[in-house]
Amino acid sequence: DAGVIQSPRHEVTEMGQEVTLRCKPISGHNSLFWYRQTMMRGLELLIYFNNNVPIDDSGMPEDRFSAKMPNASFSTLKIQPSEPRDSAVYFCASSLVRTRGNSGEQYFGPGTRLTVT
Amino acid sequence: LAKTTQPISMDSYEGQEVNITCSHNNIATNDYITWYQQFPSQGPRFIIQGYKTKVTNEVASLFIPADRKSSTLSLPRVSLSDTAVYYCLVGDSRNTPLVFGKGTRLSVIA
Repeated sequence: DAGVIQSPRHEVTEMGQEVTLRCKPISGHNSLFWYRQTMMRGLELLIYFNNNVPIDDSGMPEDRFSAKMPNASFSTLKIQPSEPRDSAVYFCASSLVRTRGNSGEQYFGPGTRLTVT
Repeated sequence: LAKTTQPISMDSYEGQEVNITCSHNNIATNDYITWYQQFPSQGPRFIIQGYKTKVTNEVASLFIPADRKSSTLSLPRVSLSDTAVYYCLVGDSRNTPLVFGKGTRLSVIA
């Protein structure tokens, strides 16, 4: 398997523009996670899907952020409108969750480095 | 969610064994303990996971005392390439995802 695939790898955009990040999880995995990482705040969980259904979106910063998972092999994270403070590395991860208490080994993608000017 | 506490940073010389301890006083009965490693400009990578006593794989060992309120990740004979941030996470019995803290930044010196 190619692992978790994310695109684009780098994105530079101007404030106010819409940004869409894409993720293809590992085939067979039933859970997908979107994270954001900055030096100041570390690695933050934004949203978590299980079987394509959003389970916990409490980490989504505000209404400007939205995430979808239309099928088991694709997810998007959209920021509209983008702001400079959204600049960060965004990671997508997938896992196979089997039992309670065990979130399963998460496989992370290479990340998308977003810069909003 | 069970909260974890681990040292912010550690230094070690090449060839030494490194032990990173993580505290998780309010761990729940069904929680697992998981460690991840992150290199610069990469996503975190799973290292090891355990529930109790000792777990060992080709990369590391994980020691968990009987009360499970702490755990220790042991890296044998570290090399420069082990320089990374190491995260300790504890699973929530409600099956919500693990939360990454600040991690421990390990610097291996030649």
